[in-house]
Amino acid sequence: DAGVIQSPRHEVTEMGQEVTLRCKPISGHNSLFWYRQTMMRGLELLIYFNNNVPIDDSGMPEDRFSAKMPNASFSTLKIQPSEPRDSAVYFCASSLGDRNYNEQFFGPGTRLTVL
Amino acid sequence: AQSVTQPDIHITVSEGASLELRCNYSYGATPYLFWYVQSPGQGLQLLLKYFSGDTLVQGIKGFEAEFKRSQSSFNLRKPSVHWSDAAEYFCAVGLQGAQKLVFGQGTRLTINP
Repeated sequence: DAGVIQSPRHEVTEMGQEVTLRCKPISGHNSLFWYRQTMMRGLELLIYFNNNVPIDDSGMPEDRFSAKMPNASFSTLKIQPSEPRDSAVYFCASSLGDRNYNEQFFGPGTRLTVL
Repeated sequence: AQSVTQPDIHITVSEGASLELRCNYSYGATPYLFWYVQSPGQGLQLLLKYFSGDTLVQGIKGFEAEFKRSQSSFNLRKPSVHWSDAAEYFCAVGLQGAQKLVFGQGTRLTINP
């Protein structure tokens, strides 16, 4: 298996622009997670989906952030408009989704820089 | 609320020395416990996990961890570190009946030659 795939790996954009991050989970996994990692705040869970349905979006910073999972093999995290404080590494992770099995597999991350 | 504490932000050890990274959790029931490692510029990789049974679990790369219920701890150990072990290490707790993990703040490990 190719593991969790994220694109792009690096993104540099200017303040005010729309940014879309993409994730392909491991085939057969039913849960998908978006995290943000910064030096100041560490690893934060933004949102997670189970069977393509958003379950917990309490970590989404504000309305500028939105996430979708139109099918079991694809998810997007969109920031519109982007701000310099959004600069971070964004990770996608997936898991089997069995209620007794929480092991998550992480993608390589997208490093976002907002100028 | 559930929480995970890694008391040591940064640890430096010499190559060949033993290592112990501390992790304490706060959770009312028996948790599922994980250690992940993140090398520079990489995603997180699972080192080992504890669900139930034997409280001493073995992982990849020669790491092990011991679950101590009485101390609410899940410390990570390695008898002899290698320069390639330099990375950031995250402890996490999984909640029964829920999918999400709660991560600690991480411990950055530096290896002296």
